[in-house]
Amino acid sequence: DAKTTQPNSMESNEEEPVHLPCNHSTISGTDYIHWYRQLPSQGPEYVIHGLTSNVNNRMASLAIAEDRKSSTLILHRATLRDAAVYYCILLKNYGQNFVFGPGTRLSVLP
Amino acid sequence: DTGVSQDPRHKITKRGQNVTFRCDPISEHNRLYWYRQTLGQGPEFLTYFQNEAQLEKSRLLSDRFSAERPKGSFSTLEIQRTEQGDSAMYLCASSTGTGGPEAFFGQGTRLTVV
Repeated sequence: DAKTTQPNSMESNEEEPVHLPCNHSTISGTDYIHWYRQLPSQGPEYVIHGLTSNVNNRMASLAIAEDRKSSTLILHRATLRDAAVYYCILLKNYGQNFVFGPGTRLSVLP
Repeated sequence: DTGVSQDPRHKITKRGQNVTFRCDPISEHNRLYWYRQTLGQGPEFLTYFQNEAQLEKSRLLSDRFSAERPKGSFSTLEIQRTEQGDSAMYLCASSTGTGGPEAFFGQGTRLTVV
């Protein structure tokens, strides 16, 4: 299974943009790139996903490298409520179990 | 629709007792997942169902663990003869199961084995 690597932790100031990187150098053509986040004492929450093109939704943007070996989750203006663990996951088109790594713990400073 | 519902939210049990957790997925979601999460770690996959069929089980799912999804709706996860190492958050998720879709997670059941 293709694996992802993420920094263990990152910090951001409130109201500033945050770029959360993810490397997935062994990604295959059928792997979707998913991002989830987990707030304290909550289950994981879907953030965004994409295949090849950059994606935007109300929560975030996903920038996918041209070779698809890396991606970046962009939070345009971090708020204190964005403090969470962010997970980058690869999932095949036909679906399978979600394999979570340790993720990136994002701290947002007021 | 209120999302994925798990019951109970918290369970404290004595070592050696059996426990059962319930998960009600989002209606019409045909795929249902169970995960386990310990403090400071990401969720670990246990098993998943496509409708009523259990399609994959992790090696983490020892013979003390059993999961069912009768009629393809709600699911139960039972742990027999609980051990202290079973203490964890047990998470359930559901999805439509096609096209690389998002999964929706419940709040989890926190199990403490004393």
